[in-house]
Amino acid sequence: EPEVTQTPSHQVTQMGQEVILRCVPISNHLYFYWYRQILGQKVEFLVSFYNNEISEKSEIFDDQFSVERPDGSNFTLKIRSTKLEDSAMYFCASVRDSNQPQHFGDGTRLSIL
Amino acid sequence: AQRVTQPEKLLSVFKGAPVELKCNYSYSGSPELFWYVQYSRQRLQLLLRHISRESIKGFTADLNKGETSFHLKKPFAQEEDSAMYYCAPIFNAGNNRKLIWGLGTSLAVNP
Repeated sequence: EPEVTQTPSHQVTQMGQEVILRCVPISNHLYFYWYRQILGQKVEFLVSFYNNEISEKSEIFDDQFSVERPDGSNFTLKIRSTKLEDSAMYFCASVRDSNQPQHFGDGTRLSIL
Repeated sequence: AQRVTQPEKLLSVFKGAPVELKCNYSYSGSPELFWYVQYSRQRLQLLLRHISRESIKGFTADLNKGETSFHLKKPFAQEEDSAMYYCAPIFNAGNNRKLIWGLGTSLAVNP
């Protein structure tokens, strides 16, 4: 069964550095999402992406965050200048039709030092 | 406000006992409701969605609009049911169907 894949599984970065989290959604999927979960807290929606543009973003998704789908397969989340509070598990999800359940990747654990 | 509440952080039962994981939501419209499960060292995966009204791994969940609840139930818990369970509604209609997540309930089924 096809899966959403995320790399790396764990990323350690110094505060202030840029980080790119990568996701390869399932190949025929059209809607893409990023969520994050700070340790001990709820999973939170960050951003949704469809037809090569952001369809919705949360308050968390400020100017430091960006997403793109550069080559039709990867779906990346970039944080330009990381802060300590960006430390979290980041989940990518994709779905083919908007009325279907989302499929999740394993997540990337981001640790900011 | 659109909100989902899972009141129990941890639920511990013995094998063979019934289990109910509670989920309540706050929303004036008609949400679409999901239960996702995360077994140890595995990814989040869909367990149930209310519109399919099916039983998966012996679990069922009924949407109660009067009580705004979507509790997950299983009559006889098994050790392999031990996992983290998340109630995650979609509140908004349209194409952007973001999931809103509860805190999750960690279910421990003891032998």
